[in-house]
Amino acid sequence: DTGVSQDPRHKITKRGQNVTFRCDPISEHNRLYWYRQTLGQGPEFLTYFQNEAQLEKSRLLSDRFSAERPKGSFSTLEIQRTEQGDSAMYLCASRGEGALPGYTFGSGTRLTVV
Amino acid sequence: DAKTTQPTSMDCAEGRAANLPCNHSTISGNEYVYWYRQIHSQGPQYIIHGLKNNETNEMASLIITEDRKSSTLILPHATLRDTAVYYCIVSQRNAGNMLTFGGGTRLMVKP
Repeated sequence: DTGVSQDPRHKITKRGQNVTFRCDPISEHNRLYWYRQTLGQGPEFLTYFQNEAQLEKSRLLSDRFSAERPKGSFSTLEIQRTEQGDSAMYLCASRGEGALPGYTFGSGTRLTVV
Repeated sequence: DAKTTQPTSMDCAEGRAANLPCNHSTISGNEYVYWYRQIHSQGPQYIIHGLKNNETNEMASLIITEDRKSSTLILPHATLRDTAVYYCIVSQRNAGNMLTFGGGTRLMVKP
């Protein structure tokens, strides 16, 4: 499968714990995006990378959130001291230069904070 | 990115054409119209995009008005598997731009 992979698919954690999600983009895509989606809403942009450089961050990305893409390939999104309001689907997407115009999304990681 | 307005929900009979409208009255000259859909518990899936000409691919057709202030996504023969939330997005085509999703249209295809 050459799509965007996200791991885990589901995560249940207790409030106050740290969680980390992983995204493996399509291998030739140099741009990687993280989005968050709450129930009944469209996805909201969090941050994006071009290769290993984090070029833009949304104001939604509080100090408890950090994202990395150390070698310009896979990316991780960490949430520290989780809160119930962090419960959402976290989506990763990738896109290459030129080629297809559309973004390819993964299936997401659903986070539930209890 | 310009904002879009879509109906919250629509129904369509299986086998009939589904016509999903989108208003984007503030679209600028270099912005494209993109359509994505999201089936329950999956990530959004790219459907089609266009600048000013009508476009067709294996999934759908996109009709853009001459003034570019609105568009319609057409699924020619809707199936139950087309039940999803459909998002209309306007964005510059530069690879760096993130997508700004609205609430989308929840399409229910009924037997």
